[in-house]
Amino acid sequence: QVQLQESGPGLVKPSETLSLTCAVSGASVAFDYWTWIRQSPGKGLEWIGLVSDNGSSNSDSGSTKYNPSLKTRVTISLDTSKRQFSLKLRSMTAADTAVYFCARDRGDGGLDSWGRGTLVTVSA
Amino acid sequence: QSVLTQPPSLSAAPGQKVTISCSGSFSNIGNSYVSWYQQLPGTSPRLLISETNNRPSEIPDRFSGAKSGTSATLAITGLQAGDEADYYCATWDGSLASMVFGGGTKLTV
Repeated sequence: QVQLQESGPGLVKPSETLSLTCAVSGASVAFDYWTWIRQSPGKGLEWIGLVSDNGSSNSDSGSTKYNPSLKTRVTISLDTSKRQFSLKLRSMTAADTAVYFCARDRGDGGLDSWGRGTLVTVSA
Repeated sequence: QSVLTQPPSLSAAPGQKVTISCSGSFSNIGNSYVSWYQQLPGTSPRLLISETNNRPSEIPDRFSGAKSGTSATLAITGLQAGDEADYYCATWDGSLASMVFGGGTKLTV
């Protein structure tokens, strides 16, 4: 059974960088696509981006795709040795306050395993 | 404004059938698989349908997906109180090179 668990700060100051990690158990991060999605309070789901293993000997690498609206501020990376992937979102504002989910995409577009989500609030 | 358009809300009585629509364009639904998710209050989304009409083994056959052209639908038959949730469609948009979600439909049973 695949399990994903997000971790990171619940509070970030405006202009700072958010760093979240998603720990994966029950599956190898060397396969499939590993995804970040967020949900602002009372709003719908927004895809942030994904990372997949590009086969490099560097354990901290990956091929990425990002939401065009966030592309200039986001970096998603993969650490196969630690079985986790990470999100960095720079220049945070109040509009970035949301529950952040990590999820697995098997490649058919279906996100079949999700973390519980972590609420990130942007406030001074 | 979401790339995929869903009705904001629907309601139906227990036992009835409901169909949730998801309208897109040639660059997304017209050329990609569609997935559907159920989000119960306070929980993570759950995959109901992948590859437009494939149901994970744990999802009851009351849930089904279909697509025609640039629109997709999720049908739920034999509605139960436990089906009351938000439902989202999603697909890949080739023009945006991004996964896109519908705005979500709140289903009241």
